[in-house]
Amino acid sequence: DAGVTQSPTHLIKTRGQQVTLRCSPKSGHDTVSWYQQALGQGPQFIFQYYEEEERQRGNFPDRFSGHQFPNYSSELNVNALLLGDSALYLCASSLFTGQGSYGYTFGSGTRLTVV
Amino acid sequence: AQSVTQLDSQVPVFEEAPVELRCNYSSSVSVYLFWYVQYPNQGLQLLLKYLSGSTLVKGINGFEAEFNKSQTSFHLRKPSVHISDTAEYFCAVNLVFSGNTPLVFGKGTRLSVIA
Repeated sequence: DAGVTQSPTHLIKTRGQQVTLRCSPKSGHDTVSWYQQALGQGPQFIFQYYEEEERQRGNFPDRFSGHQFPNYSSELNVNALLLGDSALYLCASSLFTGQGSYGYTFGSGTRLTVV
Repeated sequence: AQSVTQLDSQVPVFEEAPVELRCNYSSSVSVYLFWYVQYPNQGLQLLLKYLSGSTLVKGINGFEAEFNKSQTSFHLRKPSVHISDTAEYFCAVNLVFSGNTPLVFGKGTRLSVIA
């Protein structure tokens, strides 16, 4: 049973460029959440996708956008990259319920370095 | 809004000694509680979770945690640590009965086990 798969594992981009990160959820999960983890910090929630729509969003600018596909996989796009966007980006999948989500599974992350 | 405070940023401990990593949370509604471990250059792995029932929760790798509602705490303990337990540990909360609300993480505690 495959867990959460993220690609690429590492990425180096230049300031001002755009980047796309990808995530395939765990089998049986239908919801994908993205988190940003800066060095030495806990993960910060970016947004969550369910039924191909953004359902919730954290305190991140519009430069951060996403998409969910019919097969539940997801992309995170970041435009006009800043040095401060350098971080580990984590994808977490879960099964949508009406009673809180207690089954998040995390991928190994994509390490983005902006130079 | 809920928040999580991990009281110690770093905890050094000798091998085979006991350890406690402290976590306090703030929320006006019921929450689920989690501890995750992150090894260097990896994603997050679930150690244990409290959803309901017994306040003492046992997890993987010999870890356990106790939910204390009156003190709004969820401290993580292990009676005898190993070198392989060296990692970053994150406490997180998630609202109950609110759909797929995102996990809110603390800033993490770095556990260093000394031989």
